[in-house]
Amino acid sequence: AQSVTQLDSHVSVSEGTPVLLRCNYSSSYSPSLFWYVQHPNKGLQLLLKYTSAATLVKGINGFEAEFKKSETSFHLTKPSAHMSDAAEYFCVVRGNAGNMLTFGGGTRLMVKP
Amino acid sequence: DAGVTQSPTHLIKTRGQQVTLRCSPKSGHDTVSWYQQALGQGPQFIFQYYEEEERQRGNFPDRFSGHQFPNYSSELNVNALLLGDSALYLCASSTGPRGIEQFFGPGTRLTVL
Repeated sequence: AQSVTQLDSHVSVSEGTPVLLRCNYSSSYSPSLFWYVQHPNKGLQLLLKYTSAATLVKGINGFEAEFKKSETSFHLTKPSAHMSDAAEYFCVVRGNAGNMLTFGGGTRLMVKP
Repeated sequence: DAGVTQSPTHLIKTRGQQVTLRCSPKSGHDTVSWYQQALGQGPQFIFQYYEEEERQRGNFPDRFSGHQFPNYSSELNVNALLLGDSALYLCASSTGPRGIEQFFGPGTRLTVL
């Protein structure tokens, strides 16, 4: 079985400063990992995915994440936050059999002007 | 190119009633998965449909059932509604039951009174 832990339920940053959203995973196999973003009253949007290729993954809107097997982590970063980045972010691991996604509890990112 | 669509947007039911939610996958996708997202939590996998059969199921009781039609659209049925069934129900589609990337619809907000 796989699981995901998002270490911070809320993160607050000022516009223009770096963003770090932390995620640890547990998996008995080589995992596929994702970050999704959910804006209010909108569906989930895929930011980026790791599927055993390059460990540094670049996504949309300037986000990137680094897969670290030794630390079982997949933290999401962005060099400079924009007001439009304020949303709920989910770290997700994909099942080995089938396509089931297991979500973390989410991190709410707040961006102050 | 139409994305994943869900209907209705909102629904209010009372305890003990039955509800049906509908999902049309993204054009070109043949696999549909359903997730339940309780308030303040990450989505939880309910089940996946491919070739009109349930292929994988999460930890949900038999009150939750589904169907997939020949045009790949899907329904989620919940019987004997409980207050705890109040949640946002998300549909996701992919290409094949092992498709890496899943696209999510905006969800149906179900309130059980």
